[in-house]
Amino acid sequence: DTGVSQDPRHKITKRGQNVTFRCDPISEHNRLYWYRQTLGQGPEFLTYFQNEAQLEKSRLLSDRFSAERPKGSFSTLEIQRTEQGDSAMYLCASSRDGSSYNEQFFGPGTRLTVL
Amino acid sequence: GQNIDQPTEMTATEGAIVQINCTYQTSGFNGLFWYQQHAGEAPTFLSYNVLDGLEEKGRFSSFLSRSKGYSYLLLKELQMKDSASYLCAVRRNSSYKLIFGSGTRLLVRP
Repeated sequence: DTGVSQDPRHKITKRGQNVTFRCDPISEHNRLYWYRQTLGQGPEFLTYFQNEAQLEKSRLLSDRFSAERPKGSFSTLEIQRTEQGDSAMYLCASSRDGSSYNEQFFGPGTRLTVL
Repeated sequence: GQNIDQPTEMTATEGAIVQINCTYQTSGFNGLFWYQQHAGEAPTFLSYNVLDGLEEKGRFSSFLSRSKGYSYLLLKELQMKDSASYLCAVRRNSSYKLIFGSGTRLLVRP
């Protein structure tokens, strides 16, 4: 399978703990995006990378959230001191410059539950 | 800012045609996307419009009017497997990120 992959698929944690998610984009996709989705809502943009550079970060993203893409391939999203409001599906997507529409391909997501 | 509106839910009958509308308000418009999302799964790309008019792709078509800030997704010959959420998203000139609406949950009944 050469699609976007995410790990883990599910994460249950206690409030106050730190969690880290990983995303592996489609090979040769230079752009990588993180979104968050809650039930009944569309995905909400968090941040995106072009190669290893983080080009944009949502103002909604608190200082507890940090993302990296150290070698321009996989990316990690870390949430420190988790809160119950962080419970959501975290989606990763990737796209490639030069494709017809620069459409984004989404991974299956990591579902986070904060108790 | 940006504002994207879609109906929350729609119901249609197998074999019929359904039109899902999306209105948006944004500056620096640079394309509108439609995605399909089955429950518990990732969104999958359906269509893209950046110029006015209709884009047809099999049973699915998408229309855009930039002057009206309006798009619709047309699904023909509905099948049970088309029951899903349909997400409208816009892209702006200044960024590659997508700004999504809340999605329209479509239920196809026999």
